[in-house]
Amino acid sequence: AQSVTQLGSHVSVSEGALVLLRCNYSSSVPPYLFWYVQYPNQGLQLLLKYTTGATLVKGINGFEAEFKKSETSFHLTKPSAHMSDAAEYFCAVIKAAGNKLTFGGGTRVLVKP
Amino acid sequence: DTAVSQTPKYLVTQMGNDKSIKCEQNLGHDTMYWYKQDSKKFLKIMFSYNNKELIINETVPNRFSPKSPDKAHLNLHINSLELGDSAVYFCASSHEGPYNEQFFGPGTRLTVL
Repeated sequence: AQSVTQLGSHVSVSEGALVLLRCNYSSSVPPYLFWYVQYPNQGLQLLLKYTTGATLVKGINGFEAEFKKSETSFHLTKPSAHMSDAAEYFCAVIKAAGNKLTFGGGTRVLVKP
Repeated sequence: DTAVSQTPKYLVTQMGNDKSIKCEQNLGHDTMYWYKQDSKKFLKIMFSYNNKELIINETVPNRFSPKSPDKAHLNLHINSLELGDSAVYFCASSHEGPYNEQFFGPGTRLTVL
């Protein structure tokens, strides 16, 4: 069975500061990895994904994530937070041979002016 | 030009009632999904259909019955509603294949009184 752990259910950052959201996965086979964002009262939107190839993945809105197989991690970063980044962020994993997305518990990001 | 739409957006009902949530996508996708997001924001897949065939059926009470009349629609019918069914239900769709982005609808907030 695979699972996803997001460290920290809430993260508070100042506007302009680094955003770092942590995600670790457990999977018996190499997974595909995703980060989704959920703005208040909306559905989820894909930020970025890792399937194969380059381990540093760039996404929308200035976010990027790095797949580290040795650490089973896929942490999400953004160099400079904007007020509009306030949202819930979900890490998710899917087995290469399957099609079922398993989500982490989510991390709520609060951006302080 | 809504991609994935759900109706209704809000649904308030009494325990024991039967209700349906409708989902439509105009993206030409083969695969559609239903997710449940509980009050703690935890997201879990319920069902997945590919070309109108059920391919994922998680441990969900059989009071929940999905129906896919065609590739563009996946409806969710819930019988004998219980308090614990209160949640936000998201429909999503994607092209066939595990690494394809899932596009989410805006969600249906179900409140069972």
